[in-house]
Amino acid sequence: QSALTQPPSASGSPGQSVTISCTGTSSDVGGYNYVSWYQQHPGKAPKVMIYEVTKRPSGVPDRFSASKSGNTASLTVSGLQAEDEADYYCSSYAGSNNLIFGGGTKLTVL
Amino acid sequence: QVQLVESGGGVAQPGGSLRLSCAASGFTFSTYGIHWVRQAPGKGLEWVAFIRYDGSNKYYADSVKGRFTISRDNSKNTLYLQMNSLRPEDTAVYYCARKLANWGLDCWGQGTLVTVSS
Repeated sequence: QSALTQPPSASGSPGQSVTISCTGTSSDVGGYNYVSWYQQHPGKAPKVMIYEVTKRPSGVPDRFSASKSGNTASLTVSGLQAEDEADYYCSSYAGSNNLIFGGGTKLTVL
Repeated sequence: QVQLVESGGGVAQPGGSLRLSCAASGFTFSTYGIHWVRQAPGKGLEWVAFIRYDGSNKYYADSVKGRFTISRDNSKNTLYLQMNSLRPEDTAVYYCARKLANWGLDCWGQGTLVTVSS
C-alpha cells in the first residue's frame, strides 16, 4: 500500500483556521471510517488528536476537528495557537490488517 | 499514569538481530492490543506490527514480514519486537503505542533508536 498524500506544509496566523488534507483511495480512507490524526512536536512522540474520522480523545481541545469526504480526510485547527506548530500525520486502516500513514504536514504558525 | 517505555535499541550490522522491549504501566496491559510504529530519521511514520491483547493474532507490514516477530508477556506487562535480518532501511526510532478503538493509537512511548550500519 502506498502512503496517504498530505501537503508537505501548511501555515496560518494566530487565531486563524487551517485545514490539512489527507488523500487516499477507496481501499483505505474511502473504504473505512478508521482515519486518525497525530500531532508530533520535534523530538517528541506523536499524540493522537482525532480517531475514527471525527472523534476527539479526552484532553484534546475542541479547536481540533476533522471530517471525511470520499477518499479525502481533513483536519481543521481553529483559533491557531503557537503551540499548534508541529508535524501532523494522518493514518487509515487499509484492509487486510494493515495501517498506513500519510507523509506528514508541517504546520507553521506565522 | 499510563506509560510505555521502549528499550533495546542500538547499533546492529546488516543481517544482524536486535530485540526491542516495551514496558507498560498504569493500565491493564493484558486488555489492550499494542502496535509498533517506526520513524526513520527526518521521515514520516510507518506502521510495523500489531498484536492483540491476548497475543492470539499478530499482523505485520509487508516491509518487515518474515523478518520481525511481535510478541508479548502479559505476566510481565511487556511487549517485544524481535528483529532479524536487519537492513539499513530499518534504521529508525521505534515506538510502541496502545490500541485506541479501531486502528487508532494512543499512549505512545518515547521511542528507541535502531541503527543498522556496518
